[in-house]
Amino acid sequence: AQSVTQPDIHITVSEGASLELRCNYSYGATPYLFWYVQSPGQGLQLLLKYFSGDTLVQGIKGFEAEFKRSQSSFNLRKPSVHWSDAAEYFCAVAMDSNYQLIWGAGTKLIIKP
Amino acid sequence: GAVVSQHPSWVICKSGTSVKIECRSLDFQATTMFWYRQFPKQSLMLMATSNEGSKATYEQGVEKDKFLINHASLTLSTLTVTSAHPEDSSFYICSVQGSYNEQFFGPGTRLTVL
Repeated sequence: AQSVTQPDIHITVSEGASLELRCNYSYGATPYLFWYVQSPGQGLQLLLKYFSGDTLVQGIKGFEAEFKRSQSSFNLRKPSVHWSDAAEYFCAVAMDSNYQLIWGAGTKLIIKP
Repeated sequence: GAVVSQHPSWVICKSGTSVKIECRSLDFQATTMFWYRQFPKQSLMLMATSNEGSKATYEQGVEKDKFLINHASLTLSTLTVTSAHPEDSSFYICSVQGSYNEQFFGPGTRLTVL
């Protein structure tokens, strides 16, 4: 069965440090890939998505993600985190024409001052 | 992207009562909306896909008679939790499917059943 794995339940980084959140999927073909952020009291916000083309995609708030087919991964990165980036991050994939999303369990990002 | 609102944002009800949650697409005509449930510290679980003017498609294990979904217009879908019980307490989130099949999410509704 198709699945999405976010290996890290939570990650703590210092403000100003770089960040990488991992996401792996299990599927035979190339899925459509998404990263969402969920902040307390706010709805899930789309950071970026990959459908096809350049495997390095740029998103909002300075985030980027790279699709690596050989590793079935779509890791999210940011060169320098800000305290406002503290939130829950979800990786999701869509594997059919209905674009129903299959979600990872989420990674909680904690920022140290 | 589409702006999605949900009402109410927080509701507390007695066991056995019914609760209606509204999901509105404020600036986009949404043919398809999705309803999710999120348990604490867990990911989203898709409950159903709501298509305007037709019956919702429920995921396996979701009781359609308990979670009534109505999508009567392109801007409004409602989820009614009938005869709510404490185990129905959860965070309910709706989303709107955009032009390129991405999803835009509402802020969620926290339901607490006493």
